[in-house]
Amino acid sequence: EDKVVQSPLSLVVHEGDTVTLNCSYEVTNFRSLLWYKQEKKAPTFLFMLTSSGIEKKSGRLSSILDKKELFSILNITATQTGDSAVYLCAVLGGAGGTSYGKLTFGQGTILTVHP
Amino acid sequence: KAGVTQTPRYLIKTRGQQVTLSCSPISGHRSVSWYQQTPGQGLQFLFEYFSETQRNKGNFPGRFSGRQFSNSRSEMNVSTLELGDSALYLCASSSVRNSYEQYFGPGTRLTVT
Repeated sequence: EDKVVQSPLSLVVHEGDTVTLNCSYEVTNFRSLLWYKQEKKAPTFLFMLTSSGIEKKSGRLSSILDKKELFSILNITATQTGDSAVYLCAVLGGAGGTSYGKLTFGQGTILTVHP
Repeated sequence: KAGVTQTPRYLIKTRGQQVTLSCSPISGHRSVSWYQQTPGQGLQFLFEYFSETQRNKGNFPGRFSGRQFSNSRSEMNVSTLELGDSALYLCASSSVRNSYEQYFGPGTRLTVT
């Protein structure tokens, strides 16, 4: 059974700190890994990673994938109170058409940024 | 471009009733996936439709069903509601055939009493 594990489950930091969120996975025939940010509403898409070692960057957020060790990290530098949210990692996998549209989600990391 | 829309946003039903939720994907997106989100189980995959065909299904009982119309709009139905069906139901749409990047709608908050 496909499994996605995120750590830590929760994190409390102060504005300006840098945080690293972890996501490890075990899926059949990995296709891609996605990061989402969820505040008090639906998840919003952050990154999609399919290749190892290629960093994706958007402002203060960046992410990288290691397909050999089966994990990804999401870095947030110079954190702001607006970064407070649940960060979700999800993996698309499977073979022969069985993976279509199916994301397996981790349990999420709750990030709280204090002023 | 308008995002994914879901209706209704909130719903209260009693045990034993049935409910139908609707999802309109982003224009041009042909894949629609449905998820259930609860505090205890997190986000869990229900099913995915592409071109009116269910391509994948999660581990939910047969009380959960869905369909997709020719305009890519999708509905999901839950029959004989149970208290444990109380959750946020999210749909996500994707444009590419393999449904890599999914964009979520605001969700329907279902409360079963």
